[in-house]
Amino acid sequence: DAGITQSPRHKVTETGTPVTLRCHQTENHRYMYWYRQDPGHGLRLIHYSYGVKDTDKGEVSDGYSVSRSKTEDFLLTLESATSSQTSVYFCAISESKGGGTGNTEAFFGQGTRLTVV
Amino acid sequence: AQSVSQHNHHVILSEAASLELGCNYSYGGTVNLFWYVQYPGQHLQLLLKYFSGDPLVKGIKGFEAEFIKSKFSFNLRKPSVQWSDTAEYFCAVTDTGFQKLVFGTGTRLLVSP
Repeated sequence: DAGITQSPRHKVTETGTPVTLRCHQTENHRYMYWYRQDPGHGLRLIHYSYGVKDTDKGEVSDGYSVSRSKTEDFLLTLESATSSQTSVYFCAISESKGGGTGNTEAFFGQGTRLTVV
Repeated sequence: AQSVSQHNHHVILSEAASLELGCNYSYGGTVNLFWYVQYPGQHLQLLLKYFSGDPLVKGIKGFEAEFIKSKFSFNLRKPSVQWSDTAEYFCAVTDTGFQKLVFGTGTRLLVSP
């Protein structure tokens, strides 16, 4: 398995509190992604990063922010958690294949189960 | 924007039956295509991928997929499923100039022994 560690693996938090999820990689891959997985919706992209301090929004970015100050770490923050953000969050990494041919396959972390009560 | 459609949300098969899961995408440019599998309680694992070349790609565990550019499709097949194939299957696409990886909503496969 690729060296991707998500922490925490499980968290229960109260509505309105800030929450930060961490993704740490040891593969030195350029691209990192945060997805949420919900029944009937598959995986939806929240934010992604294409380098240190370079991030962009995905399809469901409202209520989330990210930061990447080092190649190996990508943080996802819920500024004020809501019950609709109860989900399983997956981090993924990939690398450029070069030559404008796109990226390699993505490798996924084990996921973080977040419950907002 | 790219989108991916998986038309079969739930599939129930008996062991030894053949499997075909549909996947269609909306992007008209050059794409990279993937199938991932998620076993219960686990993270996503790559089954197979298409970057270029032979449109029929073979993956792990006897799975294969065929890229049909004219139909914007990348269907997953397996000639004979096993109980251990019970899992959720996701199709994903990314275009070669843009790094977003977009997933379909998934197909939950149940194989009865």
